[in-house]
Amino acid sequence: ETGVTQTPRHLVMGMTNKKSLKCEQHLGHNAMYWYKQSAKKPLELMFVYSLEERVENNSVPSRFSPECPNSSHLFLHLHTLQPEDSALYLCASSQDYSTDTQYFGPGTRLTVL
Amino acid sequence: EDKVVQSPLSLVVHEGDTVTLNCSYEVTNFRSLLWYKQEKKAPTFLFMLTSSGIEKKSGRLSSILDKKELFSILNITATQTGDSAIYLCAVGTQGGSEKLVFGKGTKLTVNP
Repeated sequence: ETGVTQTPRHLVMGMTNKKSLKCEQHLGHNAMYWYKQSAKKPLELMFVYSLEERVENNSVPSRFSPECPNSSHLFLHLHTLQPEDSALYLCASSQDYSTDTQYFGPGTRLTVL
Repeated sequence: EDKVVQSPLSLVVHEGDTVTLNCSYEVTNFRSLLWYKQEKKAPTFLFMLTSSGIEKKSGRLSSILDKKELFSILNITATQTGDSAIYLCAVGTQGGSEKLVFGKGTKLTVNP
């Protein structure tokens, strides 16, 4: 247990569905991250929030929409995804945006049919 | 473009063997290098290295950074089946865009 939880752990959705991934951290951290992990590729940073403000958006398609209502919660809203979006989506948090040690959640395994 | 390259991509050893995993990097504005172990899903933090030549050690695992040659190694001695995992190397950058750049990982399998 790293203090970062993610739900759901598994998600299967059709291309026309709308769903959301949730991440919660119990560590009192100020920065939260969304990563995508596809087979045989490095972890890809998608979004970074620091003190509830988005500080990084790495050219992610608009069908992925993040939301950070407070420093403990992070959402990833999904809409009209493509099969190539199937991957493991990992949430992480760190004490501050400038702190490198990130603690990861267990991930959500997403399958888009 | 910032790049982190790990080698080998996969490795199969027997219990008791010693393994060395490699990580080389090319990034602008290096700040730190981190090693993570990923078993089933969530990567777990192992080490953070910021200074050259200073070995970090935790039980059977150790790591060292060479900032001149731009690489790090992760050593595991007397391997056990529980060491089987993907080992991820990540480099932290600073400046305008602070982020972690990850390598593809080394998949280690330790057979009994």
